[in-house]
Amino acid sequence: KQEVTQIPAALSVPEGENLVLNCSFTDSAIYNLQWFRQDPGKGLTSLLLIQSSQREQTSGRLNASLDKSSGRSTLYIAASQPGDSATYLCAPFPRYSTLTFGKGTMLLVSP
Amino acid sequence: DTGVSQNPRHKITKRGQNVTFRCDPISEHNRLYWYRQTLGQGPEFLTYFQNEAQLEKSRLLSDRFSAERPKGSFSTLEIQRTEQGDSAMYLCASSLLTENTEAFFGQGTRLTVV
Repeated sequence: KQEVTQIPAALSVPEGENLVLNCSFTDSAIYNLQWFRQDPGKGLTSLLLIQSSQREQTSGRLNASLDKSSGRSTLYIAASQPGDSATYLCAPFPRYSTLTFGKGTMLLVSP
Repeated sequence: DTGVSQNPRHKITKRGQNVTFRCDPISEHNRLYWYRQTLGQGPEFLTYFQNEAQLEKSRLLSDRFSAERPKGSFSTLEIQRTEQGDSAMYLCASSLLTENTEAFFGQGTRLTVV
């Protein structure tokens, strides 16, 4: 059974800082890994999809890396803004199941 | 296409009542997933469909829960004899059939059982 751990659980930073959010998973037999953003009381918004054959994926100020063999992914957020405040969830897609989520990292960026 | 649509957005029901939620996926997506999320937790998998076939069900999906996708398009999730522990956000997602494809989520249905 895939287990997903996200560190830190919560993070509070001033605007402008560069951030790294960590995700680890126990089963490296995955098709891909997605990073999502969730605002309070809302659904999930897909940020990035990294395929198992890729090492990195970038979208604007976001960069995600994947080390499948060690079961790790990181989400790098450059020049953080108050609008980035949300919970960030990573979800590997195992070969023999469906998207599996950690508890997320709750990010607060203060002006 | 406006993405995955879920209705209703909010539902308050009395304990013991039955409730039904609807999910309309992105039109060309073959796969449809249901997840449940409680406060402070990540989404937990309930079940998924490939076209009209229900291919996997979590042990979380007790016999009070049933899901259908009769024509391979929209899906419904019904909870019978609701309990307070059923209070949660119910999320629906859809994706194409291939493995390396993004899953897109709806805005969820917030269920409160009083």
